[in-house]
Amino acid sequence: SQQGEEDPQALSIQEGENATMNCSYKTSINNLQWYRQNSGRGLVHLILIRSNEREKHSGRLRVTLDTSKKSSSLLITASRAADTASYFCATDGKAAGNKLTFGGGTRVLVKP
Amino acid sequence: DVKVTQSSRYLVKRTGEKVFLECVQDMDHENMFWYRQDPGLGLRLIYFSYDVKMKEKGDIPEGYSVSREKKERFSLILESASTNQTSMYLCASTPDNRRAEAFFGQGTRLTVV
Repeated sequence: SQQGEEDPQALSIQEGENATMNCSYKTSINNLQWYRQNSGRGLVHLILIRSNEREKHSGRLRVTLDTSKKSSSLLITASRAADTASYFCATDGKAAGNKLTFGGGTRVLVKP
Repeated sequence: DVKVTQSSRYLVKRTGEKVFLECVQDMDHENMFWYRQDPGLGLRLIYFSYDVKMKEKGDIPEGYSVSREKKERFSLILESASTNQTSMYLCASTPDNRRAEAFFGQGTRLTVV
């Protein structure tokens, strides 16, 4: 079963606009992570936020975590064509047996 | 830099064949994982291992087995390949049980005909 579910499934924006995607999960977590996957490649880690954190920044990325709503959001500011990729959230927690569980992903297309 | 290497980028096998997918990591990570990725289904965990000779089933272990004889190598075995195992297979590793970030291989796109 999938712990994380991303929303929307796909997103198309113009270069320079912001992209926001959301992740909802079902059970208590220790950490939530976001990954990027370029077409046909492996996943690359972007950012990790711990369950006791509410917001984290890394360059043009901003992640929020609301444990009361069991949700997280990833914001990419001033998007570039190179940001075109699929983005996945991943969670780990005791209910998942410390496994890293991924959602279905959001496909982002940034048009030049 | 951590490197996770999967033995093949593309693989075509026949139904009924025994298939081995190899994954090697060079950073002494304790934990290794095999996922399959299918459109609309995200990444689903097949098997994982926290130590040499140790393995645990993930969410979809049926039709697969694994082997971890050495710390750096985690093999996924399709005992008798079927067409519904056509997929992208991703190997990942993490340093320890502190649940740090995962490092992924480049993926193996397996087609079973």
